[in-house]
This record gives sequence, structure tokens and C-alpha cells, in this order.
Amino acid sequence: GENVEQHPSTLSVQEGDSAVIKCTYSDSASNYFPWYKQELGKRPQLIIDIRSNVGEKKDQRIAVTLNKTAKHFSLHITETQPEDSAVYFCAASNEKTSYDKVIFGPGTSLSVIP
Amino acid sequence: EAGVAQSPRYKIIEKRQSVAFWCNPISGHATLYWYQQILGQGPKLLIQFQNNGVVDDSQLPKDRFSAERLKGVDSTLKIQPAKLEDSAVYLCASSFRRGYYEQYFGPGTRLTVT
Repeated sequence: GENVEQHPSTLSVQEGDSAVIKCTYSDSASNYFPWYKQELGKRPQLIIDIRSNVGEKKDQRIAVTLNKTAKHFSLHITETQPEDSAVYFCAASNEKTSYDKVIFGPGTSLSVIP
Repeated sequence: EAGVAQSPRYKIIEKRQSVAFWCNPISGHATLYWYQQILGQGPKLLIQFQNNGVVDDSQLPKDRFSAERLKGVDSTLKIQPAKLEDSAVYLCASSFRRGYYEQYFGPGTRLTVT
């Protein structure tokens, strides 16, 4: 089955700097890659997602890139702000064969230092 | 729009006792998921329902865990008997349909087994 790895496990950046979180997946048939943000004590919330037919997607300060050949995808946050501090989970899913069963990575704890 | 509701929010039980969690998904969402999130890890899918039918329960420890979704709306997850390693947050999520649809998570139930 699908396995998702995520690096780094913790990340500290200065406010205003950029943050990059990288994920790899094992199932070459995976075709949907969402990113969820979980603030301390709160529920995970979708922040951006990408499908396998595109290589990059951007939404304001957040962007995600996908390299299907290498089976890895990354989250980029620019101009980080203290409210970006949270745990970020990448995930992978094969919509066609796994009924959108989403496999989550272990998470990256991002701290933005004011 | 009301979000996914879960109860209770917290539960402390002794090992070998039983416990049940309840979830009410967003109105109109056909797909419902139960996840187990152990501290410091990503959510792990336990079971997925499409309306009132089970789509995937491959990671549900069926010797002690059971779940149902009567009438395709509310769902309950039961653990009987509980073990120490069941201590985790149990998240319920729902989505409009299977496939490329955002999952909306509930606040979770934090279970502590002593």
C-alpha cells in the first residue's frame, strides 16, 4: 500500500522567511496530494491540494509542487507569519482505485519566530 | 454551514473497559471517515463509509473496534475492550463524495486509556 514520508519533522524559521516541507510517496498510481494544517489542539484543515495532471499550484503565500517521476511533492510558504505556526501534514491518494483513501505523512511542526 | 460534530470531546477509561464515540457529519456529505491520531503522528484511517456502506476498513482492528453508520448520516465508533495503545485522538471527517473532495474534520475525541 501507499506510504508517505515527510521531512523535516520540525522546522523553525524567522518571520518573513520562507519554509519548505518535502514529502515522498511510494505508490506511483497516487494522483491526488492534499496538504492539511493542524494548529495546536485544533482539527486538520485543508490548505491546498494538487492533482497529478499539474506540476505546480499557488494560492497567495502557499505553493505546492509535484514531481511524479521522482514521486515527491513539496509545500512552499513564503513571507511566513506567526499564524503559520502549526503542524503540516502532506497526504497522497489514488482516487481511481482507493476510493480516495488518504494516506497521511507523519507531519512537520513549523514554528515561525517573530 | 455547520461543521462536523463529535462527542464526547474527552474520555478517560481504564484498560479493558468499553467506549463509544459519536460523529455527525456535514449535512449532505455522503462519505464519512474515522481516523486515529496518535500524539506526534499523522491521522491513520480506520474506516471509511460511503452512505451507510463500508468502503474501506482494512486498518480497523476488528477484534476490538467496530463502527456503524445507520441511515447514512451519524456514525458511532466503539472500542471493546480498550488497550493502553488505543490512547489517541479519534477524528471523524466527512466529504461530499469520494474522490477529489476536501475532507472536513471534526474537533476529535481525546481518549486516554489508563
